[in-house]
Amino acid sequence: GQQLNQSPQSMFIQEGEDVSMNCTSSSIFNTWLWYKQEPGEGPVLLIALYKAGELTSNGRLTAQFGITRKDSFLNISASIPSDVGIYFCAGQWDGGTSYGKLTFGQGTILTVHP
Amino acid sequence: EAGVTQSPTHLIKTRGQQATLRCSPISGHTSVYWYQQALGLGLQFLLWYDEGEERNRGNFPPRFSGRQFPNYSSELNVNALELEDSALYLCASRGQTGHSQETQYFGPGTRLLVL
Repeated sequence: GQQLNQSPQSMFIQEGEDVSMNCTSSSIFNTWLWYKQEPGEGPVLLIALYKAGELTSNGRLTAQFGITRKDSFLNISASIPSDVGIYFCAGQWDGGTSYGKLTFGQGTILTVHP
Repeated sequence: EAGVTQSPTHLIKTRGQQATLRCSPISGHTSVYWYQQALGLGLQFLLWYDEGEERNRGNFPPRFSGRQFPNYSSELNVNALELEDSALYLCASRGQTGHSQETQYFGPGTRLLVL
């Protein structure tokens, strides 16, 4: 099935470093979402973006909805060990045959060394 | 407020059997979505139910089916199980459709293992 192009695939960083990951798509979306998934659990919503150009923060997390509506990035500042997990971007387009479904990126595996 | 719940947490079946997975949405949510997350792969959209009707379907064979009950809970059925059906099956719920700012919230998943 269709997937977004998410990069990087994995990151190994030291505690305190900043992290940046992004997603690109060949299709436009009207909503971009960022989720975090920990082992044995379902994805947890971190940030939702609803307008092109929108920049939204949630604590140490900042995400932006690209102006072309085909990309988004997520930044994590001053990483801590509990940031470990898999981060997924997801696009939502409520129209046509795509109505209602989320299209996900492949995920970014984040490892934080204390 | 209780989140999305799924049962069972784990399910072991053999090839050719049928599996039934259950999901209860967040109270007040009318839409239920099912996704498959196979090992090493991202989440793939399976099915969407809203107000008891199937609204959209992903690129999966007909042996993946489901239904939504009057209380908005949902069931996913997988018939004639194959080894590659082994995956984490995630359910998500969403508030009123037509409201673009309603997002999907996920349950913890059911891990299905087909032997």
